[in-house]
Amino acid sequence: ELKVEQNPLFLSMQEGKNYTIYCNYSTTSDRLYWYRQDPGKSLESLFVLLSNGAVKQEGRLMASLDTKARLSTLHITAAVHDLSATYFCAVDLPSGGYQKVTFGTGTKLQVIP
Amino acid sequence: EAQVTQNPRYLITVTGKKLTVTCSQNMNHEYMSWYRQDPGLGLRQIYYSMNVEVTDKGDVPEGYKVSRKEKRNFPLILESPSPNQTSLYFCASSLQYGIVTDTQYFGPGTRLTVL
Repeated sequence: ELKVEQNPLFLSMQEGKNYTIYCNYSTTSDRLYWYRQDPGKSLESLFVLLSNGAVKQEGRLMASLDTKARLSTLHITAAVHDLSATYFCAVDLPSGGYQKVTFGTGTKLQVIP
Repeated sequence: EAQVTQNPRYLITVTGKKLTVTCSQNMNHEYMSWYRQDPGLGLRQIYYSMNVEVTDKGDVPEGYKVSRKEKRNFPLILESPSPNQTSLYFCASSLQYGIVTDTQYFGPGTRLTVL
């Protein structure tokens, strides 16, 4: 059974600071996804990481994937209040055509002005 | 506008009364999926469909059925709802799951309460 763990579960940080959210998973997979969810809203796709060493950046967010360590990171640079949300990573269960998806429990980020 | 729509958005029902939550996408996507979101448990996949011909169970399929008779629609059916199915449900779609330029689009969610 694939397990996906995120750390920390809750993060309160000041504007302008840097921080990293970690996503560990238990079974070999080379497909990992990051999503953002605002309170009371749906999920928004942020990044799709499809190979070892993949790195993607969008604004103040940068995601990377290390399939050997079974680890993905979401790095926040110079946080701003608008980044306050819950962030989820999700991993494909490697069977057949990579169809099943397991989500982490989420990291609730609060950026304080 | 490219979107995934769900109906209803909110539903309160009673145990045992069959219900259907509809999901429709207008992007000609092959892949569609249903998730439920519960506090402390994150999102869990219920069913997914790679295309009209292929549908399979996710992690928590018990008590649910799905149907993919046409590409754009993927309804979630609860034949006999129970209180433990009270949750927030999301439908999602993508062109072809996991390809480099792909992204998943999520519907707005359906908040279901089963009394």
